[in-house]
Amino acid sequence: GAVVSQHPSWVICKSGTSVKIECRSLDFQATTMFWYRQFPKQSLMLMATSNEGSKATYEQGVEKDKFLINHASLTLSTLTVTSAHPEDSSFYICSAASEEETQYFGPGTRLLVL
Amino acid sequence: RKEVEQDPGPFNVPEGATVAFNCTYSNSASQSFFWYRQDCRKEPKLLMSVYSSGNEDGRFTAQLNRASQYISLLIRDSKLSDSATYLCVVGQYSSASKIIFGSGTRLSIRP
Repeated sequence: GAVVSQHPSWVICKSGTSVKIECRSLDFQATTMFWYRQFPKQSLMLMATSNEGSKATYEQGVEKDKFLINHASLTLSTLTVTSAHPEDSSFYICSAASEEETQYFGPGTRLLVL
Repeated sequence: RKEVEQDPGPFNVPEGATVAFNCTYSNSASQSFFWYRQDCRKEPKLLMSVYSSGNEDGRFTAQLNRASQYISLLIRDSKLSDSATYLCVVGQYSSASKIIFGSGTRLSIRP
């Protein structure tokens, strides 16, 4: 299957700092990428849909100024958690949609804000 | 009411048993349906798409009932490696658009 990578795989940071997470589709071009967040023992919650070359569409309740998304190319989308706080600690997962419209997930990034 | 609902389990069954999960969805306009598998602390991986006619992949059988708005997954001859959380996923249009995850059903296979 298609490969989607995320970097970093885990990060620990101090409260108030910003963290950037990269999502790359390695062997296909993805016009649409999605960012999810998963808290322990809960399901994935869609945060935003990222389309190459245009602004991301955020789900209700997700602050666009706090979670900055940039989809600069067909193979790269980034999520920046600005001024992270402990409640932002979570598992962040991206997915990329292939031409066949199957979504492939990255391995996830564990964020711990102290 | 949640858009996609699943029994959280856990289901604890012996190796070799047959186990079935159900999932209901609330949006009658939903058009794409999937089962994903998620291992502990890992990303979800597509197990199979679900078609109206039902489909089978080895020991796994998925069925869709549009009239009742539910999806099922049947696992036959369960293996220890089947232990995971199974996520029911529903999309309104194609899978390149927004999809909604159920909360998942935890399955544990015991020797």
